[in-house]
Amino acid sequence: AQSVTQLDSQVPVFEEAPVELRCNYSSSVSVYLFWYVQYPNQGLQLLLKYLSGSTLVKGINGFEAEFNKSQTSFHLRKPSVHISDTAEYFCAVMNSGYSTLTFGKGTMLLVSP
Amino acid sequence: EPEVTQTPSHQVTQMGQEVILRCVPISNHLYFYWYRQILGQKVEFLVSFYNNEISEKSEIFDDQFSVERPDGSNFTLKIRSTKLEDSAMYFCASSARDNDGYTFGSGTRLTVV
Repeated sequence: AQSVTQLDSQVPVFEEAPVELRCNYSSSVSVYLFWYVQYPNQGLQLLLKYLSGSTLVKGINGFEAEFNKSQTSFHLRKPSVHISDTAEYFCAVMNSGYSTLTFGKGTMLLVSP
Repeated sequence: EPEVTQTPSHQVTQMGQEVILRCVPISNHLYFYWYRQILGQKVEFLVSFYNNEISEKSEIFDDQFSVERPDGSNFTLKIRSTKLEDSAMYFCASSARDNDGYTFGSGTRLTVV
């Protein structure tokens, strides 16, 4: 069975600073990887996904993530955050050949002025 | 942009009562899902639905739960006899392909009292 670990439950950062949200996964088969964002009182919005090909994936709102198979990681990065990026970020994995997502516990990104 | 619509946004029910959570997936999507998030915990998979039948379900999805696509547009989750521990945010999602990122709805917060 696959699992996802998001090491940081909360990441405080100042506006315009860079940020990295960490995600590690475990799976015995090939995987697809996703990052979702949840703004307060809203649903889960897909930020970006890795299915195959280039290991650097660009998503919406200036976010990107890099798939590292040897380290089983899929860290999310943004070079300069805005106040509006304050939200909870979820990493998720899907085993190749299946359609269900396994989520991490989430990382709350807190951006302050 | 197409949306997954969930109603109601918040439902309060007494323990032992039946509840039906409703979802309208994106019209050309073929795969449908229910997930839930108990407060402070991970988003958990409940069930996936394709071609008018359940394709996968988790251990959480016991005999108290059922899903239906009654009219080709709605996708419902029924809990026959609610328990206090069913209190959670329930998310509906849909996707065009089985290995694609989902589009999630905004969720229904179910409170069992």
